[in-house]
Amino acid sequence: EVQLLESGGGLVQPGGSLRLSCAASGFTFNNYAMTWVRQAPGKGLEWVSTIRSDGSTFYADSVKGRFTISRDNSKDTLYLQMNSLRAEDTAVYYCAKDVASIGEYFQHWGQGTLVTVST
Amino acid sequence: DIQMTQSPSSVSASVGDRVTITCRASQGIRSWLAWYQQKPGKAPNLLIYAASRLQSGVPSRFSGSGSGTDFTLTISSLQPEDFATYYCQQANNLFSFGPGTKVDVK
Repeated sequence: EVQLLESGGGLVQPGGSLRLSCAASGFTFNNYAMTWVRQAPGKGLEWVSTIRSDGSTFYADSVKGRFTISRDNSKDTLYLQMNSLRAEDTAVYYCAKDVASIGEYFQHWGQGTLVTVST
Repeated sequence: DIQMTQSPSSVSASVGDRVTITCRASQGIRSWLAWYQQKPGKAPNLLIYAASRLQSGVPSRFSGSGSGTDFTLTISSLQPEDFATYYCQQANNLFSFGPGTKVDVK
């Protein structure tokens, strides 16, 4: 059974940093693209970043230059390093396993971790 | 960037109703479209991918159609567990989601 467990969320001040982790199990992690999607309170889904199985990375314009996605295939773990955080980054962050290696559709999702950017 | 729109933004329906949700892309995306269902406080769940392919384990009352810029999600006979918000997502050029359609009780 595929399992994705996010961690690392919490309260951070504007301008601060946070690193999210997503521990994966139940599938061959290095064969699949992985993605972060966020959802602000009461709002819709927003794609944040994707890393393919070959390590190539892609970002939404709203986070480019501030967020960095990475993966450790030896630990079956996905990361999102978030710097220069803003109030508008407040959201539940979900990690998702893709159906393929290159990034297409988000087949399995974690339960999400809440990031709150506030003074 | 590809913008996704959905209509209606909300629909009130009864159990047994046929419900249709439309998604439109700002430019052609071939068949690179998925539909997700999300219930309050839960992660989204993939229903349809490649515009019309049913994800494993998803009931056959859900179906998808369309290509290019216009797509449709149909629930043939609404069940109590189907009251939720539905999102479309394009995968033709990076990724983006529609704003969502809430299906609630009439």
